[in-house]
Amino acid sequence: QQQVKQSPQSLIVQKGGISIINCAYENTAFDYFPWYQQFPGKGPALLIAIRPDVSEKKEGRFTISFNKSAKQFSLHIMDSQPGDSATYFCAASNQAGTALIFGKGTTLSVSS
Amino acid sequence: EPEVTQTPSHQVTQMGQEVILRCVPISNHLYFYWYRQILGQKVEFLVSFYNNEISEKSEIFDDQFSVERPDGSNFTLKIRSTKLEDSAMYFCASSRDFSETQYFGPGTRLLVL
Repeated sequence: QQQVKQSPQSLIVQKGGISIINCAYENTAFDYFPWYQQFPGKGPALLIAIRPDVSEKKEGRFTISFNKSAKQFSLHIMDSQPGDSATYFCAASNQAGTALIFGKGTTLSVSS
Repeated sequence: EPEVTQTPSHQVTQMGQEVILRCVPISNHLYFYWYRQILGQKVEFLVSFYNNEISEKSEIFDDQFSVERPDGSNFTLKIRSTKLEDSAMYFCASSRDFSETQYFGPGTRLLVL
């Protein structure tokens, strides 16, 4: 019940394409859903986060879609660029300050 | 931009030895965390710390682990007697307030031989 399931494990997208990463959770007590981006040798960096009172949040080329009834949320990267090539982790927690439960990560490669 | 820093970046130790991983959280942050990431696996929560005491810990954080804020800037994770399975990347994180974003450091890669 504390798991967050993330897919796909890896993703290859052409430059300019849309990258979509999906996550699912079971614990209905989760109410904070961040996405982190990690480059090799670096720590995870917050990309965008959403709470379940909204169904979508957009920041630049990055959008989170949230489906509370399905207990799923996804990250969409529009106009994907080679600089977006990184590992992306979805996460969830009961509140923003409590333990983050991470998905297994998606390695995104954007080909030029 | 303020950032979380961690030292050392890499540490190699022998099984059974004690290691201390150090973190300097962002200066005005009050909540501190340790996570670990075994190679190829997901990031896992270890412990959170606030007001000089542990506020939450996972099953991984057993008696071999301890945390401390020895002064106003450092936050440490001690592993008393390392095991082979402790080999991982250890991330420190901090947040200004309980409801705010956790900012991660670059990590310490620990290798136990």
